[in-house]
Amino acid sequence: DTAVSQTPKYLVTQMGNDKSIKCEQNLGHDTMYWYKQDSKKFLKIMFSYNNKELIINETVPNRFSPKSPDKAHLNLHINSLELGDSAVYFCASSLLATDTQYFGPGTRLTVL
Amino acid sequence: DAKTTQPTSMDCAEGRAANLPCNHSTISGNEYVYWYRQIHSQGPQYIIHGLKNNETNEMASLIITEDRKSSTLILPHATLRDTAVYYCIVSEGTSGSRLTFGEGTQLTVNP
Repeated sequence: DTAVSQTPKYLVTQMGNDKSIKCEQNLGHDTMYWYKQDSKKFLKIMFSYNNKELIINETVPNRFSPKSPDKAHLNLHINSLELGDSAVYFCASSLLATDTQYFGPGTRLTVL
Repeated sequence: DAKTTQPTSMDCAEGRAANLPCNHSTISGNEYVYWYRQIHSQGPQYIIHGLKNNETNEMASLIITEDRKSSTLILPHATLRDTAVYYCIVSEGTSGSRLTFGEGTQLTVNP
């Protein structure tokens, strides 16, 4: 059973479009996260939700909007996609807000 | 979070122990040392963490110096599948999970 899953695995889209990436965890964890890994391989946290409430919101353009319908899901919606949004996006989860995090397989977003 | 320093790359022969060092000279008393790794194109994988004492699990051992200013991750019998980027991170552990990934160490296990 996949612990943290993301869909889609690959996403290719045009500039200006709106897209969503879905994340689900079946670990019963309370906290979920979105990370971005750019072309230089640096991995940076974007958002963190604990029990559907936002607890970390790094300096991310407001075109990015996370949505947590329940504590097992944290989706990432991106409006008006730009070239610089091209990256690999990782979802993760942890039990409570601790630092032992379990990551999903990633979604490679390419904006043309 | 305190900053960590790791070598950019290391090589290890298959079947031998891989010892990955990490310096964290500004670590504070309530900060843990975490190790994650990222195998090419996959999500980061938690390996181990510790506060003061040495720790061991099924994946690795973590040796933390007495002054806590440095640590070593030990993979006792490296395999080709252990080739990955290894990240050493210091964090409060209950900080709301603001993990800060640095550049890590690219470990290459050679046959």
